[in-house]
Amino acid sequence: DAGVTQSPTHLIKTRGQQVTLRCSPISGHKSVSWYQQVLGQGPQFIFQYYEKEERGRGNFPDRFSARQFPNYSSELNVNALLLGDSALYLCASSLEDGSYQPQHFGDGTRLSIL
Amino acid sequence: SQQGEEDPQALSIQEGENATMNCSYKTSINNLQWYRQNSGRGLVHLILIRSNEREKHSGRLRVTLDTSKKSSSLLITASRAADTASYFCATDDAGNMLTFGGGTRLMVKP
Repeated sequence: DAGVTQSPTHLIKTRGQQVTLRCSPISGHKSVSWYQQVLGQGPQFIFQYYEKEERGRGNFPDRFSARQFPNYSSELNVNALLLGDSALYLCASSLEDGSYQPQHFGDGTRLSIL
Repeated sequence: SQQGEEDPQALSIQEGENATMNCSYKTSINNLQWYRQNSGRGLVHLILIRSNEREKHSGRLRVTLDTSKKSSSLLITASRAADTASYFCATDDAGNMLTFGGGTRLMVKP
């Protein structure tokens, strides 16, 4: 079975631009979460979606937005990019929302801002 | 912000030795999870321990949880070169929105 897939794998943007990252969860998984991992640090929670509804949002500015589609895939959008947005963006899926659900991570999109 | 702190930040051992990593956190939790991350890759779920459990085993992994001290430890026995990776603890206090620590970088020398 395919795992969580993310695209693109690498992306280079300049300050002020906008970016869209994509995630396909494991088949049958209804919950998708997004995390930002700055080099040398642990991942930080950005969003969680379940059944196309936002279930949680981390401490990120409104420049960050996301959505989930009827097939449970998801997009993360970041507007007005800043140098500090350079990071590995990880998508994770789980069968359901709620606690006690191990999360399955993709290999991420590495975003570099020049 | 990071919920937890891992200790040590880096650990270097010989193959066959045991590796112990510690994690401390700040708030009450539903469960605590440990993940492994190989360089440049995504995270792999290792083990989940509920707040009412004290110890859990999975293969060569042993996790303990002390909710009174808000701490957890991960023990990897008989380490292998393939165990070289970063290890993160993550706390779940509501709805599986995980809060990760800063990680322990483990190097296992052959």
